[in-house]
Amino acid sequence: GEDVEQSLFLSVREGDSSVINCTYTDSSSTYLYWYKQEPGAGLQLLTYIFSNMDMKQDQRLTVLLNKKDKHLSLRIADTQTGDSAIYFCACNTGFQKLVFGTGTRLLVSP
Amino acid sequence: DAGVTQSPTHLIKTRGQQVTLRCSPKSGHDTVSWYQQALGQGPQFIFQYYEEEERQRGNFPDRFSGHQFPNYSSELNVNALLLGDSALYLCASSTGGASYEQYFGPGTRLTVT
Repeated sequence: GEDVEQSLFLSVREGDSSVINCTYTDSSSTYLYWYKQEPGAGLQLLTYIFSNMDMKQDQRLTVLLNKKDKHLSLRIADTQTGDSAIYFCACNTGFQKLVFGTGTRLLVSP
Repeated sequence: DAGVTQSPTHLIKTRGQQVTLRCSPKSGHDTVSWYQQALGQGPQFIFQYYEEEERQRGNFPDRFSGHQFPNYSSELNVNALLLGDSALYLCASSTGGASYEQYFGPGTRLTVT
């Protein structure tokens, strides 16, 4: 079945760039997503990329997609303490069914 | 414009009981998906409703059932609750057409004792 993997934890200093990585197995995924979850809250859609794109930039966020290696990354420029949260990578496997990774906890220290 | 809303926020039930969770989709959305998020895990897809029919189902037992109403709101029912059903239940809404944006509600935290 589909599988999405992420590293569990990332720690950065405020003002640095953060890069969160994700690998997936389903090559038929048409869209790939990044969601943010703060403690006790639901998921906030940050950005998504269509599978025929290599890169998408949205303000401080840059998504890179390497379809050959099935690797997705999210770069957050000028990371702030408010960016501390869990970040989930997800793949669209058809009819908008999303398969999520286990999440990467980002800790931003002042 | 209200986003996705869910009720109740928290719920405590006993093993063997039944529970109903509710979701109202974002304005303009007609598709509702339900996900279960166990502690420390990513969300797992339960099922999706479109045009009042279950369109897709994940790997969950028949104890999990749902319904979608003509106004596109949805319910998730879980029968014969097990301790392992304790989780955050998330509802996501989208449009059934070409939109690939799914928006999530705040979730319902279910605790089974």
